[in-house]
Amino acid sequence: SQQGEEDPQALSIQEGENATMNCSYKTSINNLQWYRQNSGRGLVHLILIRSNEREKHSGRLRVTLDTSKKSSSLLITASRAADTASYFCATALSGYSTLTFGKGTMLLVSP
Amino acid sequence: DTAVSQTPKYLVTQMGNDKSIKCEQNLGHDTMYWYKQDSKKFLKIMFSYNNKELIINETVPNRFSPKSPDKAHLNLHINSLELGDSAVYFCASSSLSGTGTNEQYFGPGTRLTVT
Repeated sequence: SQQGEEDPQALSIQEGENATMNCSYKTSINNLQWYRQNSGRGLVHLILIRSNEREKHSGRLRVTLDTSKKSSSLLITASRAADTASYFCATALSGYSTLTFGKGTMLLVSP
Repeated sequence: DTAVSQTPKYLVTQMGNDKSIKCEQNLGHDTMYWYKQDSKKFLKIMFSYNNKELIINETVPNRFSPKSPDKAHLNLHINSLELGDSAVYFCASSSLSGTGTNEQYFGPGTRLTVT
């Protein structure tokens, strides 16, 4: 069964605003990853957070992980039109297992 | 230089035909994957190869046969194409023996349309 579920399914904001996407999963994991997919393109890895980490930053991205709630959030600060894309969380049961992807959140950032 | 490349980018074919999609990675990774993304953008793993050996074969019809001639290439051959095979197919690679994480690098996708 599907491991990750993103929420919301779609999000529409203005440039400069922050965007928050959530991901919930069902079983214990080794790590959780976020990917971005621009329309008509392949997925691009954004950030990885391990199960023993609670928060991680990369540029304008902030990821949190709450293993007790089996959930993660991705925050994009000061969004830009170029951030318009679908965002997927993916979970890994171990560092060597395959990834299970959620259905994604479609983010639209309007100028 | 493209890290993970796929050919062709678009493939339109009729039901019953046999077709192949090719994938190459120049990242020196030891593991390659095929995913299928449906019209609702759900991404599902199909196959995983580590050092040319099949390690994951999800519930996929045996009309789909992956072939890995070497660590840098993983091709997907599909026999007797059906309408339901229409989707975008992504190749990806990772280095499982390196950092011990399965961060994956994706190709641009092949949009397959079966008519």
